[in-house]
Amino acid sequence: EAQVTQNPRYLITVTGKKLTVTCSQNMNHEYMSWYRQDPGLGLRQIYYSMNVEVTDKGDVPEGYKVSRKEKRNFPLILESPSPNQTSLYFCASTPGGSYNEQFFGPGTRLTVL
Amino acid sequence: GQQVMQIPQYQHVQEGEDFTTYCNSSTTLSNIQWYKQRPGGHPVFLIQLVKSGEVKKQKRLTFQFGEAKKNSSLHITATQTTDVGTYFCLYNFNKFYFGSGTKLNVKP
Repeated sequence: EAQVTQNPRYLITVTGKKLTVTCSQNMNHEYMSWYRQDPGLGLRQIYYSMNVEVTDKGDVPEGYKVSRKEKRNFPLILESPSPNQTSLYFCASTPGGSYNEQFFGPGTRLTVL
Repeated sequence: GQQVMQIPQYQHVQEGEDFTTYCNSSTTLSNIQWYKQRPGGHPVFLIQLVKSGEVKKQKRLTFQFGEAKKNSSLHITATQTTDVGTYFCLYNFNKFYFGSGTKLNVKP
């Protein structure tokens, strides 16, 4: 089954404790993104990757890192989480370009205390 | 920053009434996509519009792209409770941007 998976689905952590949210897709898509969703602000792109070893900042990259060592995986790293990073995070993938639909993972709800 | 406004923010309708959400851009868009997010779920692709003046239909849903490719709308005829959710437009200005979304609530 074609899908995007994220782990964990839920996470409660404390300020400053490094964490990684994993994202994996089995559709051989080149383009992958991370979004955060906040009430009243909608979905905002954090980082994206157009292919292996190619990543770039989205609209709200501060406080986040990403890597793309393999085509299928695109982890989101929070080196020192802060309470303002409490949010719902979605990973998405698409074959590439702006003319293809994006496939979203189920989401990760992160709370930083 | 974002140059596309999505309205309204919320819409409460009685089942059977129609619903429309709009995305309006200050600049010409290359294309626009529409997504639906059910409560507690993730965004799911509905449709893509590319051509000027394009109209596409999916059962009770009608999608339009304006002649100038600056405006788009999603219209639902005779809403049902299964239509509940938030509807987003997605556009591209080098990076991907979502509209702020319209949350639809349908009273049975």
